[in-house]
Amino acid sequence: DTEVTQTPKHLVMGMTNKKSLKCEQHMGHRAMYWYKQKAKKPPELMFVYSYEKLSINESVPSRFSPECPNSSLLNLHLHALQPEDSALYLCASSQERGVTYEQYFGPGTRLTVT
Amino acid sequence: TQLLEQSPQFLSIQEGENLTVYCNSSSVFSSLQWYRQEPGEGPVLLVTVVTGGEVKKLKRLTFQFGDARKDSSLHITAAQPGDTGLYLCAGLRWRGDGQNFVFGPGTRLSVLP
Repeated sequence: DTEVTQTPKHLVMGMTNKKSLKCEQHMGHRAMYWYKQKAKKPPELMFVYSYEKLSINESVPSRFSPECPNSSLLNLHLHALQPEDSALYLCASSQERGVTYEQYFGPGTRLTVT
Repeated sequence: TQLLEQSPQFLSIQEGENLTVYCNSSSVFSSLQWYRQEPGEGPVLLVTVVTGGEVKKLKRLTFQFGDARKDSSLHITAAQPGDTGLYLCAGLRWRGDGQNFVFGPGTRLSVLP
């Protein structure tokens, strides 16, 4: 089983709203990721959690706040977003496979900021 | 600076044709992954290549990792409309603060019936 789930599938929010994106995996993976993907572009790394600790923050604005409550869950809290933050937000997890890691993605949350 | 380049950017072919797409870098990667992504969905992992010169087959798809581990190719034999999608390569990079995957810009493939 290589399933990563994300909720909600679609989200529309105003610039003054606070919302959260959720991601879950039950594969025992110890690294989890948030990516942002704009139309016709590749995924762009935002955050990496390793063993429930934030290990990489790619200079993401503070209106995006990640949280890893436990080894299976990853949240992305959103506050005071801008219309240009509208994108597909992808969660992924990875596992060690010999000398490398394999990464699996969730289906994404389509976010629209109005 | 794009660490990974992919070519071609766009490819439109007829069903039954063969094609090859390329992923190139000036950097060495410890491993490289290929994904296929359909519109509005997350990328789906197709294969991971680790050893220089490695060749892996997945039905009609053949993946090769360059000897120097700087480039890779994906060859599709007898393409079908179901192969349509965005093909992404991603290289595993080790940093002081952890590991992450660097993505190429993708090749958008359209297979016409």
